[in-house]
Amino acid sequence: GENVEQHPSTLSVQEGDSAVIKCTYSDSASNYFPWYKQELGKRPQLIIDIRSNVGEKKDQRIAVTLNKTAKHFSLHITETQPEDSAVYFCAASRAGGGNKLTFGTGTQLKVEL
Amino acid sequence: GAVVSQHPSRVICKSGTSVKIECRSLDFQATTMFWYRQFPKQSLMLMATSNEGSKATYEQGVEKDKFLINHASLTLSTLTVTSAHPEDSSFYICSASIDNYGYTFGSGTRLTVV
Repeated sequence: GENVEQHPSTLSVQEGDSAVIKCTYSDSASNYFPWYKQELGKRPQLIIDIRSNVGEKKDQRIAVTLNKTAKHFSLHITETQPEDSAVYFCAASRAGGGNKLTFGTGTQLKVEL
Repeated sequence: GAVVSQHPSRVICKSGTSVKIECRSLDFQATTMFWYRQFPKQSLMLMATSNEGSKATYEQGVEKDKFLINHASLTLSTLTVTSAHPEDSSFYICSASIDNYGYTFGSGTRLTVV
């Protein structure tokens, strides 16, 4: 089955700096890679996703890059703000309605003033 | 659109009792529902996949007789934790796939077994 590894487990940055979180996956058939932000006791919130037919996607301060050959993808947050502090999870799945989503181990991001 | 309603949000039960968690898709038909468990400061771990009208598929290491899943309709899936013990205390969350790529999540259930 799919295995998703995520690094780092914790990340501390100063407000205004950039944050980068990296993930690798094992199943070459995976073709959908979402990123979620989860606050304590809440459901995961989708912040950005990428499909395997593109290499990069950007939405304002958030961007995701995908390297299919190396089977890794990364989340980039620029101009970080205190409200970006949360746990971030990467995930991977095969497209097609009934296919399960496998999560990475999570990154606790702390944006310090 | 594509909202999954999960209840209860919090439940405290005594050891040895059973607890049922419900997930309802409000504005779409959820053919497949995924059930996850999340321990404090850990990731979401898939427990099982349920398909409407058929038996659930459990992940390795998850006891199917302890975690009963019923998906009798396209809008309702339930997870029953039977004979609950303190080690079953966790955050349980359901998820449905909403198209070929997207997923929607319930709001989660915090289970505490005392």
